[in-house]
Amino acid sequence: QLQLQDSGPGLVKPSETLSLTCTVSGDSISSSSYYWGWIRQPPGKGLEWIANIYYSGSTYYNPSLKSRVTISVDAFKNQFSLKLRSVTAADTAVYYCAVSGSNYRNFDYWGQGTLVTVSS
Amino acid sequence: EIVLTQSPGTLSLSPGERATLSCRASQSVTSSYLAWYQQKPGQAPRLLIYGASSRATDIPDRFSGSGSGTDFSLTISRLEPEDFAVYYCQQYGSSQWTFGQGTKVEIK
Repeated sequence: QLQLQDSGPGLVKPSETLSLTCTVSGDSISSSSYYWGWIRQPPGKGLEWIANIYYSGSTYYNPSLKSRVTISVDAFKNQFSLKLRSVTAADTAVYYCAVSGSNYRNFDYWGQGTLVTVSS
Repeated sequence: EIVLTQSPGTLSLSPGERATLSCRASQSVTSSYLAWYQQKPGQAPRLLIYGASSRATDIPDRFSGSGSGTDFSLTISRLEPEDFAVYYCQQYGSSQWTFGQGTKVEIK
């Protein structure tokens, strides 16, 4: 069974870059069975999809965030990462990494979530 | 971009009652790509239903999903105390994933 562990700093200053990493266990990140992704949830609000990446390197971004986001994979470490540039207080949220199966495109497994606060 | 609108925003029910949650899409959604999740405070969402009507692993049969095209629903046949939570629908289409805004099922 897949397990995801997200990690990264809990505090980021405005205008800086938020960087998060998700470590995958239970299968290879190079498997063709999965899309690896990030979802966020501002305090007290709903879920917002940020980005996904396929093993081939194909990337998919939420149009509202696309200009500031990069998702990437490190196959050697079995990890994938998120970078969100030029953050503001509106980017304060719990950030989840998750995996979407290639058959049904739902998020089967989730990391525990990391609260990232944007504040000076 | 396909927008998912969930209704009602809040559902106030008693244990043992039936809950019916709606998810309406702004454009037709491929049924294979429609899912439902449950989220409790402080926890990550948990997959309940995928492919519009298939229960995920270990999900009790009191949860069922149905629908097609632009109208989908999640039904909880008899609410158990642990079912009071927030529920989200999610779809994939045109290389985009989107979530509905959620329905909170609260104890009446």
